[in-house]
Amino acid sequence: KAGVTQTPRYLIKTRGQQVTLSCSPISGHRSVSWYQQTPGQGLQFLFEYFSETQRNKGNFPGRFSGRQFSNSRSEMNVSTLELGDSALYLCASSLQSPGDGYTFGSGTRLTVV
Amino acid sequence: GDSVTQMEGPVTLSEEAFLTINCTYTATGYPSLFWYVQYPGEGLQLLLKATKADDKGSNKGFEATYRKETTSFHLEKGSVQVSDSAVYFCALYSGGYQKVTFGIGTKLQVIP
Repeated sequence: KAGVTQTPRYLIKTRGQQVTLSCSPISGHRSVSWYQQTPGQGLQFLFEYFSETQRNKGNFPGRFSGRQFSNSRSEMNVSTLELGDSALYLCASSLQSPGDGYTFGSGTRLTVV
Repeated sequence: GDSVTQMEGPVTLSEEAFLTINCTYTATGYPSLFWYVQYPGEGLQLLLKATKADDKGSNKGFEATYRKETTSFHLEKGSVQVSDSAVYFCALYSGGYQKVTFGIGTKLQVIP
């Protein structure tokens, strides 16, 4: 059974650019969540999607957005990148709800220079 | 709001030592509780979970008991191995908010 796949694994972008990260959940998992992981702040919740609907959003500026497609695949977008956006972005899928337990991808390491 | 408190570490233990990583939480209602583990360069993996008071979650020799009276979910293992070296995250899920709140993570280093 394939795991959660995140692409790309590594990204280097310049301040002011935008970036799109992709996540393919485990087959049959309909809930997809995104987290930002940094050494200082730990894991910060970005948003959660289920059946193409955003059910919850964390305390991030509007530059951070996401969406989910009908096949449950999800993307997140960060516009007007800032140095502070450098982080590991983790996608996690679950059957119906985060309470079922997450399966995480290996993450996308974003570096903003 | 919901919060999880755990020691940051690092915790350094000799192989075969007993492990305890403390975790306490604040939440409304009756959350589900989890331990996740992150090995270097990887995403997190679900280690164990408990969904109601007095439940004991267990996996790979690790155990944790949901204690509602002390709002705690401490992780224990009787005999650690070098391969257990990783970062351990305590987490909670309060139904209805569709998000999991994580603790800061505790780094465990096991030396031979």
